[in-house]
Amino acid sequence: NAGVTQTPKFRILKIGQSMTLQCTQDMNHNYMYWYRQDPGMGLKLIYYSVGAGITDKGEVPNGYNVSRSTTEDFPLRLELAAPSQTSVYFCASSEATGWATEAFFGQGTRLTVV
Amino acid sequence: EDKVVQSPLSLVVHEGDTVTLNCSYEVTNFRSLLWYKQEKKAPTFLFMLTSSGIEKKSGRLSSILDKKELFSILNITATQTGDSAIYLCAVDPLYGGSQGNLIFGKGTKLSVKP
Repeated sequence: NAGVTQTPKFRILKIGQSMTLQCTQDMNHNYMYWYRQDPGMGLKLIYYSVGAGITDKGEVPNGYNVSRSTTEDFPLRLELAAPSQTSVYFCASSEATGWATEAFFGQGTRLTVV
Repeated sequence: EDKVVQSPLSLVVHEGDTVTLNCSYEVTNFRSLLWYKQEKKAPTFLFMLTSSGIEKKSGRLSSILDKKELFSILNITATQTGDSAIYLCAVDPLYGGSQGNLIFGKGTKLSVKP
């Protein structure tokens, strides 16, 4: 029962560096999301995807890019890391039902930009 | 602007106490409200509420939704130290047919002292 798997768990980046946060799910969910969580701020949606080949911006997309070439994978790319991107990042997925949805979360990636 | 507001933001109680966590929302085209528990890592699902007045229960936890007054409460009876966590409330709105773009509150940090 892998569910949603994120890698890496921890990462330290220098300002201006780039990296990709990996996310894969094995539940055949069409919907996938990237959130960031800052202390005391809840979860904010960065990007989401409703299926392979389709992505859209969430609430805080600036500084990030995503792609969705397969149903399983939804990587998040940081091109020029900035201290403001220090946060915990969660990937999530949900089933494409016609009604209410429950999102399943990965274990998170703690990113520090110095 | 759609928003979800949780209160209190933090709460300290002693084992055996009963607590009530609040979640109010202003969301157009409401679909469902979800409660998550977040300990050290990823949020884990507790309840999904779609209909007013129907209580969901799981052990010592229960939740109810009032769609007229636009709020939900999460009750925890006979609290234990293992209940210490951040409790997140999220609303699933209906945006032009897409789904699962959960709007999260900032969370309530519950600390249960022995």
